[in-house]
Amino acid sequence: KQEVTQIPAALSVPEGENLVLNCSFTDSAIYNLQWFRQDPGKGLTSLLLIQSSQREQTSGRLNASLDKSSGRSTLYIAASQPGDSATYLCAVIKAAGNKLTFGGGTRVLVKP
Amino acid sequence: NAGVTQTPKFQVLKTGQSMTLQCAQDMNHNSMYWYRQDPGMGLRLIYYSASEGTTDKGEVPNGYNVSRLNKREFSLRLESAAPSQTSVYFCASSVTGSSGYGYTFGSGTRLTVV
Repeated sequence: KQEVTQIPAALSVPEGENLVLNCSFTDSAIYNLQWFRQDPGKGLTSLLLIQSSQREQTSGRLNASLDKSSGRSTLYIAASQPGDSATYLCAVIKAAGNKLTFGGGTRVLVKP
Repeated sequence: NAGVTQTPKFQVLKTGQSMTLQCAQDMNHNSMYWYRQDPGMGLRLIYYSASEGTTDKGEVPNGYNVSRLNKREFSLRLESAAPSQTSVYFCASSVTGSSGYGYTFGSGTRLTVV
């Protein structure tokens, strides 16, 4: 059974500092890995999707890497801003059209 | 805007009452899903539908039923609501067989069973 772990569960940084969020998974036979953002009381917003054949994806200040062999993904957020405060979730997909398995999330607070 | 639409956004039920949560997507996605999110438990899959006409159980299907009405719509029914079903419910959709597309989520239904 695939298990996804996100450490730390919570993170607090001053504005301007770079954020590093970690995600690990137990079964390396994944199809895709997706990072989401969730604001309190809101739904999930997709940030980045990394296909199994890719090593990383970038969007603006966000960069996500994927190392399937070690079962790890890292989300980097450069020059953090208070608006980046949210919970960040990673999820893996074992096969196309199959269900997502989520990590528990990392709750981020960026202090002005 | 294209996406996944869930109704209602909020609902309070009494124990034993029934209700149906509605979900519709306009992205021509093949697969649709229902998740529930609870504090400390994360997001857990209730049911999913890989394609029109098919449905399968996820991790926590007990107490729920689903209907894939057509390609666009996937509903979740609680036949006899219990306090343990108090949760936030999310519907999602994805394109089957395409590695370039991820999952899109609706904004959620916050359900309280008293």
